[in-house]
Amino acid sequence: DVKVTQSSRYLVKRTGEKVFLECVQDMDHENMFWYRQDPGLGLRLIYFSYDVKMKEKGDIPEGYSVSREKKERFSLILESASTNQTSMYLCASSALQTEAFFGQGTRLTVV
Amino acid sequence: GDSVTQMEGPVTLSEEAFLTINCTYTATGYPSLFWYVQYPGEGLQLLLKATKADDKGSNKGFEATYRKETTSFHLEKGSVQVSDSAVYFCALRTKTSGSRLTFGEGTQLTVNP
Repeated sequence: DVKVTQSSRYLVKRTGEKVFLECVQDMDHENMFWYRQDPGLGLRLIYFSYDVKMKEKGDIPEGYSVSREKKERFSLILESASTNQTSMYLCASSALQTEAFFGQGTRLTVV
Repeated sequence: GDSVTQMEGPVTLSEEAFLTINCTYTATGYPSLFWYVQYPGEGLQLLLKATKADDKGSNKGFEATYRKETTSFHLEKGSVQVSDSAVYFCALRTKTSGSRLTFGEGTQLTVNP
């Protein structure tokens, strides 16, 4: 069974903290993605990576950075968390031009 | 740029009712089109897809036909069940976007017994 695993289902962090969201896939996929899901806005792409150490900005990269040191792992970093980053974060992976597989999501609350 | 527009939700139906969720798109070239479903507390999973005009994707009783002339990919099911209650997302991918997907806003479906 294909699997994309996000390290936490729920997180509560304080404003100004540095936050790490981790994602691991076991399918040897080249592409990995971080999306943010908000009611009425659908999924918006934050960053994606098409290879180890390669990354590209998505539609809403401000306030976020990413790291991909190994093919199976893609980390999203909130350098200084703010309340407007309270959201559901979804990681996904795919092979080239094939369907995307999603993790279960991390619901982040910044207080 | 590329965009996907879904019908406004939420949608509430009784069991065995007919379902239509509208989806229209704007894209350069000829995109591949997808419907994803998100059940409560879970991530998204692919429901069906179509890669060229007039293709029909189908799965679990759901269907959607790629209509190039109306730039639409409406999701239909003849008889919904309580277990179909979920959020449905329409999405597209173009050759120029590589593996990136562009999603619609999502439509919350609730089916009552």
